Amino acid sequence: RKEVEQDPGPFNVPEGATVAFNCTYSNSASQSFFWYRQDCRKEPKLLMSVYSSGNEDGRFTAQLNRASQYISLLIRDSKLSDSATYLCVVTPNTGGFKTIFGAGTRLFVKA
Amino acid sequence: EAQVTQNPRYLITVTGKKLTVTCSQNMNHEYMSWYRQDPGLGLRQIYYSMNVEVTDKGDVPEGYKVSRKEKRNFPLILESPSPNQTSLYFCASSSTLYEQYFGPGTRLTVT
Repeated sequence: RKEVEQDPGPFNVPEGATVAFNCTYSNSASQSFFWYRQDCRKEPKLLMSVYSSGNEDGRFTAQLNRASQYISLLIRDSKLSDSATYLCVVTPNTGGFKTIFGAGTRLFVKA
Repeated sequence: EAQVTQNPRYLITVTGKKLTVTCSQNMNHEYMSWYRQDPGLGLRQIYYSMNVEVTDKGDVPEGYKVSRKEKRNFPLILESPSPNQTSLYFCASSSTLYEQYFGPGTRLTVT
């Protein structure tokens, strides 16, 4: 089983739709969680951190459920510019800088 | 401008010919990492460094070496490249265990 697993995708949605991505992680001692965005052939960039209390930034909402070892990202009112690959990222509690990326979920937003 | 630079951006080489991919950051970050990205596998951490002269293995260190003699530089060395090291490589830096800033990537082909 992979340490971090994401919905395989791709997700094809119309503009204005709400789309949700899910991610599960296997190490219950993991301490930090993030969503990164990666445009085609570009470097990943931090979208938002994920906290147990939830985190909202405009149209984006991230949630963490430690009991179920589950992270989610909700995008409301999708824009064409949201088309990208979304990467779930987990930092295990190993005392170092080890970082585990999910394989990513591709999103296509169409007019 | 705050940035992470990598060189070269593209490299085609032959099996067994030693190569170095350079990475430099101008943000005075303590943490630096190298990742490789392959289709369907996402980003996998090769090595990371938590400060000068402090490095540790990530998930896929075999066939790679790193050094951190200066805070700003974190070169990736392939002593004897093989075709299975054909990949897209990213360097990243961070001032904390949170947001990582990625370089533009190096596309390596080993024939």
